[in-house]
Amino acid sequence: DAKTTQPNSMESNEEEPVHLPCNHSTISGTDYIHWYRQLPSQGPEYVIHGLTSNVNNRMASLAIAEDRKSSTLILHRATLRDAAVYYCILRGPTGTASKLTFGTGTRLQVTL
Amino acid sequence: DTAVSQTPKYLVTQMGNDKSIKCEQNLGHDTMYWYKQDSKKFLKIMFSYNNKELIINETVPNRFSPKSPDKAHLNLHINSLELGDSAVYFCASSQAGQGNQPQHFGDGTRLSIL
Repeated sequence: DAKTTQPNSMESNEEEPVHLPCNHSTISGTDYIHWYRQLPSQGPEYVIHGLTSNVNNRMASLAIAEDRKSSTLILHRATLRDAAVYYCILRGPTGTASKLTFGTGTRLQVTL
Repeated sequence: DTAVSQTPKYLVTQMGNDKSIKCEQNLGHDTMYWYKQDSKKFLKIMFSYNNKELIINETVPNRFSPKSPDKAHLNLHINSLELGDSAVYFCASSQAGQGNQPQHFGDGTRLSIL
């Protein structure tokens, strides 16, 4: 699986937007960009994924660079509940053998 | 309605014992996984089953033996527990696909070896 690079930690104020960056310069043309997050004492939670176009869902937005070598997860209004470790993961078209390879992620702190 | 449920949530036992962790999913998925999160919070795949067949085995000691009686269940049996087995074990499930299928995780089983 291609490697991703994320900042170790970020801070945000509550109610403000948060932009979590991810670099993936060795991404292949068929790799999907996935984001998961892990809240304290919980299992990882799927957030969003995309291939080439920007994506929106009820949790977040995913902005993908035109060359696909980087992406940004956008939380439009951070809340205290969004404090978690956010993982950016690339997944290739491996059919049934489709594991998730977690890196160290970005620890997001949200303050009042 | 819990999508992926693991039991037990906590497991405290002594070195050398044998223990099992159970996992069930009610999402109708055909693929299930076991991940291990160590004390440094690093998450790593251990096994994956698709339609009851083992498809991923990531150099896990053979003291760990997964079993999938049907598509909805994937259990993990661990023999001769060692101190280094202390970790949080997460079960997950997904539909097999082309890299675009999300995985759904359970809340984890916290295993502590005394």
